[in-house]
This record gives sequence, structure tokens and C-alpha cells, in this order.
Amino acid sequence: AQTVTQSQPEMSVQEAETVTLSCTYDTSESNYYLFWYKQPPSRQMILVIRQEAYKQQNATENRFSVNFQKAAKSFSLKISDSQLGDTAMYFCAFMRGGSEKLVFGKGTKLTVNP
Amino acid sequence: DAGVIQSPRHEVTEMGQEVTLRCKPISGHNSLFWYRQTMMRGLELLIYFNNNVPIDDSGMPEDRFSAKMPNASFSTLKIQPSEPRDSAVYFCASRNRLAGGGDTQYFGPGTRLTVL
Repeated sequence: AQTVTQSQPEMSVQEAETVTLSCTYDTSESNYYLFWYKQPPSRQMILVIRQEAYKQQNATENRFSVNFQKAAKSFSLKISDSQLGDTAMYFCAFMRGGSEKLVFGKGTKLTVNP
Repeated sequence: DAGVIQSPRHEVTEMGQEVTLRCKPISGHNSLFWYRQTMMRGLELLIYFNNNVPIDDSGMPEDRFSAKMPNASFSTLKIQPSEPRDSAVYFCASRNRLAGGGDTQYFGPGTRLTVL
């Protein structure tokens, strides 16, 4: 069974600085997808970024980018120019290709301080 | 374009009562998922449907939980009878399996259930 580990339960960063959230996963599959979801205090689960395992190029979405290290089974999220609105829980998730199931990590609580 | 819609947003009930949670997926999406989020267990998949047909309900905790999807635009998750340990946030998510990026699930705002 696949597992997703987020080793940082909580992190904080100053506004405008850069922060990196860690995620590792365990799988024997070669075809899979990885995701970062954001859950602000409103509770809504919002997709931040996705990565297909077969793509070597790291995904980017505006201030959000990932460092995907397939051999190391690592999928970290970098947030540049942090904003107060980035304060949220961040969940890393894995889905095997051809599967329907998302496996989530326990989450990292990020606080952006003014 | 409307996202996934869930109702109610908050539900408070007493132990033993029946609870029904509702979900309207994004129009055109053909897969629907029900999740439960608790502090202890995190986000867990309860059940999912493809084209209105239940595919995997192995995450449903016990027979008190049931889910239906009578048509492509509506699903319910029912708990009968409810117990305090069912208190959690319940999310519905949908996706279009056939579209590019069809692996992506889009979540509703969740229903916070409190069973007293």
C-alpha cells in the first residue's frame, strides 16, 4: 500500500519570504500522480499543484513550485513571496495511475507572519 | 462555473438520529468521492462512484453508513443511527475521468457534523 509522509507538522514563515514543505511517499509503481492541496481556515480543500510522475520537469503555478525527485520519492512544495493568505494546512497526496484513490499525508500547518 | 456543492455546511444532531449529507458534483464530472476528515485519522476515502455506480465502499466504517447516487448531479451520504464518534468534516469531491488532467479531484466546502 502506498503511504505519504509529511514530516513537518507545523511551519512558519515571514511574509514575502520563501518556504519549502516536505513530502515523501512510498510506492513500487512507476505511473502515478502527486498533488498538493491547501486547506485554509475556511476548510475548503483547494488544489495547489499537480505533477505526473512521467514528467521530469517540475510543475509550477505562479508562486508555487515543486521539487520532484522521483528516485528519492520526494515531492516538496516551495512557496515564494509568501502572503498572509497562504496561511493554511497543506496536504500532499498520491494517486496511482489507473486508480481512483487519493492517499493523503497528515498535513503541514503553515503560518505566514506579517 | 460552479464548484462542488455540499449541504448542509454545518449539522448538529443528537446520538441516534439519522443524518443525511448532500452533494452536487461539478457538471460534466463522472466520478464522485466521499471523504471524512478527523484529527486522529486525517482524510479518509469512504466511497466513490463512477457514472453513478458505487465502485469501492471499503472505506465505509460500518453498516450505519450508506451512500447513493441516483443521478449524475446528486449524491447522498446517510448515517443511521449517528454516534458521537461520527463527528467529523465530510467532503465530497468530483472529477472528470475522461478529460485531460482527469486525475484531479475537486473538493466541495465540506459539511461539519457534530453528534452530541
